[in-house]
Amino acid sequence: EPEVTQTPSHQVTQMGQEVILRCVPISNHLYFYWYRQILGQKVEFLVSFYNNEISEKSEIFDDQFSVERPDGSNFTLKIRSTKLEDSAMYFCASSPGMGSTDTQYFGPGTRLTVL
Amino acid sequence: AQTVTQSQPEMSVQEAETVTLSCTYDTSESDYYLFWYKQPPSRQMILVIRQEAYKQQNATENRFSVNFQKAAKSFSLKISDSQLGDAAMYFCAYRSGTSYGKLTFGQGTILTVHP
Repeated sequence: EPEVTQTPSHQVTQMGQEVILRCVPISNHLYFYWYRQILGQKVEFLVSFYNNEISEKSEIFDDQFSVERPDGSNFTLKIRSTKLEDSAMYFCASSPGMGSTDTQYFGPGTRLTVL
Repeated sequence: AQTVTQSQPEMSVQEAETVTLSCTYDTSESDYYLFWYKQPPSRQMILVIRQEAYKQQNATENRFSVNFQKAAKSFSLKISDSQLGDAAMYFCAYRSGTSYGKLTFGQGTILTVHP
């Protein structure tokens, strides 16, 4: 069965550094998402992306964050200047459409540790 | 803003028994969808069951069923004939009918299944 994949599984970075988290959505899916989960807290929505544009974003998704679909298969989340509070598990998801029966399929997550 | 609350951080059940996980939500919208996701240890979140708010009939998927009480804004998950493979973190999630896929999650409930 097709799966969403994410790389790396764990990323350690220094505060102020840029990181790029990578995701490969399921191939025929058109909608892409990023969520994050700070340890011990809820999974939080960051952004949704369709047709090479951001469809919706949360208050968390400020100017430090950007998303891109650089080619036909990858979907990336860039954090320009990481802060300690960016340490979290980041989940990518994709869905074939936006209908009520279109399931979001999640990747296994990337654990980001900012030192 | 919509909120989702899971008041049971942990639950346990004996194999073959039935367990119910609770979820309440707060919204002023009439068009929305509710979901239960399962996250096994070190694995992706996968969709267990979904409920459209406009449907009065409770959703069922094999051993999984929901009790959707729209007026009470309650959406509990019942797992019948529990199996060892049901052990996981379970997340309740809400999606507005007008959103671009944004899921709002509860805190999660860790389910342990005892043999």
